[in-house]
Amino acid sequence: GENVEQHPSTLSVQEGDSAVIKCTYSDSASNYFPWYKQELGKRPQLIIDIRSNVGEKKDQRIAVTLNKTAKHFSLHITETQPEDSAVYFCAAIKGAQKLVFGQGTRLTINP
Amino acid sequence: KAGVTQTPRYLIKTRGQQVTLSCSPISGHRSVSWYQQTPGQGLQFLFEYFSETQRNKGNFPGRFSGRQFSNSRSEMNVSTLELGDSALYLCASSSENRDEQFFGPGTRLTVL
Repeated sequence: GENVEQHPSTLSVQEGDSAVIKCTYSDSASNYFPWYKQELGKRPQLIIDIRSNVGEKKDQRIAVTLNKTAKHFSLHITETQPEDSAVYFCAAIKGAQKLVFGQGTRLTINP
Repeated sequence: KAGVTQTPRYLIKTRGQQVTLSCSPISGHRSVSWYQQTPGQGLQFLFEYFSETQRNKGNFPGRFSGRQFSNSRSEMNVSTLELGDSALYLCASSSENRDEQFFGPGTRLTVL
C-alpha cells in the first residue's frame, strides 16, 4: 500500500522567511496530494492540493510542487507570519483508496 | 452549509468499557472516514464508509468497528477499551469524487 514520509518533523523559521516541507510517496499511481493545516486544538483544514497532472500550484503565499518522477511533493510558504504556526500534514491518495497521511511537521514562526 | 459535526466532544472511560462515537457529515456527502490522532502516530486511518458500506479499512484490531446509516451519519465503536486507545478521533466527509475531505472537530477519548 501507499506510504508517505514527511520531513522535517519540526521546523522553526523567522517571521518573514520562507518555510519548506517535503513529502515522498511510494505508490506511483497516487494522483491527488492535499496539504492540511492543524492549529492547536482545532481540526485539520485543507490549505492547498495538487493533482498528478499538474507540476505546481500557488495560492497567495502558499505553493505546492509535485515531482512525479521522484515521487515527492513539497509545500512552500513565503513571507511567513505568526498565524502560520501550526502542524502541517501532507497526504496522498489513489482513486478510491484510503487517504494516507505523513507524520506531520510542527512549524513555529519566531517573531 | 453546516460543517462536519461529532458527538460527544469529550469522553472519559475506564479500561474494559466500550464507547460509541458519532459523526454527521456535510449535507450531500456520502463518504465518511475515521482517523485516530495521537501525538506520536499522527493521523492513522481507521475505516471509510460510503453508502452504508465499508469501502476501506486500516490496520486496527477488530475492537474498532463502524457503521453508516442511510442518512450518511456514521458511528464508530470501540469495545474492551485499552489505555492506548486514548486519542483524538476525527471523522472526515467528502463528496462522491472523494478528493477533498472535510474534518469534524473530533472526539477526545481518555481511557483511565
